[in-house]
Amino acid sequence: EVQLVESGGGLVQPGGSLRLSCAASGFTFSSFEMTWVRQAPGKGLVWVSSISNGGSTIYYADSVKGRFTISRDNAKNSLYLAMNSLRAEDTAVYYCARNQGHYGSGGSDYWGQGILVTVSS
Amino acid sequence: QSALTQPASVSGSPGQSITISCTGTSSDVGGYNYVSWYQQHPGKAPKLMIYDVSNRPSGVSTRFSGSKSGNTASLTISGLQGEDEADYYCSSYTSTSTWVFGGGTKLTVL
Repeated sequence: EVQLVESGGGLVQPGGSLRLSCAASGFTFSSFEMTWVRQAPGKGLVWVSSISNGGSTIYYADSVKGRFTISRDNAKNSLYLAMNSLRAEDTAVYYCARNQGHYGSGGSDYWGQGILVTVSS
Repeated sequence: QSALTQPASVSGSPGQSITISCTGTSSDVGGYNYVSWYQQHPGKAPKLMIYDVSNRPSGVSTRFSGSKSGNTASLTISGLQGEDEADYYCSSYTSTSTWVFGGGTKLTVL
């Protein structure tokens, strides 16, 4: 059974840092592109970042570029999102998701349960 | 990276059909056959319902179908059921190798 479990969320002050993790199981992690998507309270889904299966190709939304870093450790079946210079508008539930295909195709077929990040003083 | 445009809400009675539109540009929806649709119930993670415009993942009801014409993609749900009441989001790959979601549509089953 495919499982994605996020961890590392919580309350952080503006300007602070946080590192999210996503533990994957039930599939060959190293074969799939992975994605982070966030959802502010009561708002819609927003794509944050994606990383290729080998980790060499990475893309970011403009709103997080230069502040967030996506990475993966295929040996540990884990996906990460390092978040720096956090702002109130980064407050959201963050989901990790598996991309079914490559280069844009296939959509995201499995999602974690989400982890809440709250940026507030 | 402007969000795709979806109606804020749609409604229908059980057994009826509804269609949700998703309008983008030639740089996203119109330029690629990589449009996906997601269903999200309150407090739950999104679920993939349609990928690559019109493909259904295994286990998704055949009542769900997708299509695209120009810069607008559509999700049609036929034979509406109470369990279909949820938020629906479209998503598209873009010319900058990123993804963009629509603002979401709340489906109410009357």
